[in-house]
Amino acid sequence: SQQGEEDPQALSIQEGENATMNCSYKTSINNLQWYRQNSGRGLVHLILIRSNEREKHSGRLRVTLDTSKKSSSLLITASRAADTASYFCATDTNRLAFGKGNQVVVIP
Amino acid sequence: SQTIHQWPATLVQPVGSPLSLECTVEGTSNPNLYWYRQAAGRGLQLLFYSVGIGQISSEVPQNLSASRPQDRQFILSSKKLLLSDSGFYLCAWSVRVGEKLFFGSGTQLSVL
Repeated sequence: SQQGEEDPQALSIQEGENATMNCSYKTSINNLQWYRQNSGRGLVHLILIRSNEREKHSGRLRVTLDTSKKSSSLLITASRAADTASYFCATDTNRLAFGKGNQVVVIP
Repeated sequence: SQTIHQWPATLVQPVGSPLSLECTVEGTSNPNLYWYRQAAGRGLQLLFYSVGIGQISSEVPQNLSASRPQDRQFILSSKKLLLSDSGFYLCAWSVRVGEKLFFGSGTQLSVL
C-alpha cells in the first residue's frame, strides 16, 4: 500500500510561530487524514480532508490538499508548547497507510 | 460515547514465549478493528484488520496472528516471539474502512 511521506521530518519552532508540515503521496486517494501522537501514546485524529476538498480548518489547524501535485500541508498557527508531538499523514486508497511522521518541537 | 481499551501498557517477554494482546471497544457496534505496529521513530505498519466477527485480513506475513472472537474484541497473538517483534502495538477502530481511526493507548512490547 502507498504511504504518505511527511516533510520536514523534524521541526523546531518558538512558541507563537506557525508550523507547516507537508505530506506527499503517490497514487489517487479517497481522503487524507492528519494525526497527532504524543510520545509513547496512541494517535489522535486531527482532521480529514476528502479528495474533492481543497482546504479545511479546525481551530488552529489548516489543511490543504492538492490532488494534482499529490500533496497536502498541515499548518498549526500560533503554536503552543503543548503542540509538541509527532504528526502523521495517512492516505486512504482502500485502507489507511501512514507516513513515518514529523516530529515537531515547540520551544516555550 | 465510544471508548477503546488496550492492555497491557508495557510488556517484556523472552524470545520464544507466547504473546496475547487484547483490545476491546465500547459504545459502538460492528466496528472495523485494526492492529498496527510502530517501530521506534517509524510510521505505522498495518498488521491486521477485521470488518466482522471471525473475519481477519492480514497485511504482512509474519510471526503474528489475530482473532476476533466477539464483535468488539480483537486479540493479537504469537506462539513464539522473535526479537524483531519488539515495538509499539496499537489497536484502533473505525466506523467505516478508510475513515477516521480511534486509537488505543498502545502496548510497548520488548522481546529480549
